[in-house]
Amino acid sequence: AQTVTQSQPEMSVQEAETVTLSCTYDTSENNYYLFWYKQPPSRQMILVIRQEAYKQQNATENRFSVNFQKAAKSFSLKISDSQLGDTAMYFCAFMKHEISNSGGSNYKLTFGKGTLLTVNP
Amino acid sequence: DTEVTQTPKHLVMGMTNKKSLKCEQHMGHRAMYWYKQKAKKPPELMFVYSYEKLSINESVPSRFSPECPNSSLLNLHLHALQPEDSALYLCASSPLGGQGKLFFGSGTQLSVL
Repeated sequence: AQTVTQSQPEMSVQEAETVTLSCTYDTSENNYYLFWYKQPPSRQMILVIRQEAYKQQNATENRFSVNFQKAAKSFSLKISDSQLGDTAMYFCAFMKHEISNSGGSNYKLTFGKGTLLTVNP
Repeated sequence: DTEVTQTPKHLVMGMTNKKSLKCEQHMGHRAMYWYKQKAKKPPELMFVYSYEKLSINESVPSRFSPECPNSSLLNLHLHALQPEDSALYLCASSPLGGQGKLFFGSGTQLSVL
């Protein structure tokens, strides 16, 4: 079974500064995906960034980037130039690809407990 | 259309009521999911449908009954719920083909009295 650990229940950062959220995971799989999802007060889960385990290059999406260390099973999220709209709960998630009985693809997400990020003006 | 639409947004029901949650997507995704999320907790997977067939049931009590009548629609039928079932119910869909991306709806906030 996979586990995902986020060791920082809460963090805060000043607007325009940089913050890093930590995530570690445990798996015996070799091929998998890692994600950071954001859940603002509206409670909709929004995909922030995705990393494929077979890719060594760290994923980047505008102000969001990851530091993926496969051997260490670490997947941290860096948010640059923090904005007030970045205030949200951030969940790290692991996914392995499974083939269902019907032949389709199942994507089963395992979430960490989340880090509540507050961006202060 | 890149949205997953869930209705209703809020639902209050008694323990003897029967109600249904609805989820719709028109992105051509052939995998659809129900998640349950308690306050300040991560979402927990309940059900997965793949090609309109139930492929994962995470040992969910039978008072929750999922249904996938077509490739765009996913329902969750509720009957004889308990107060501890009060939670945010999230629907998600994903494209097939190895992308691994889930698209979530904004959820139904359910209160069981």
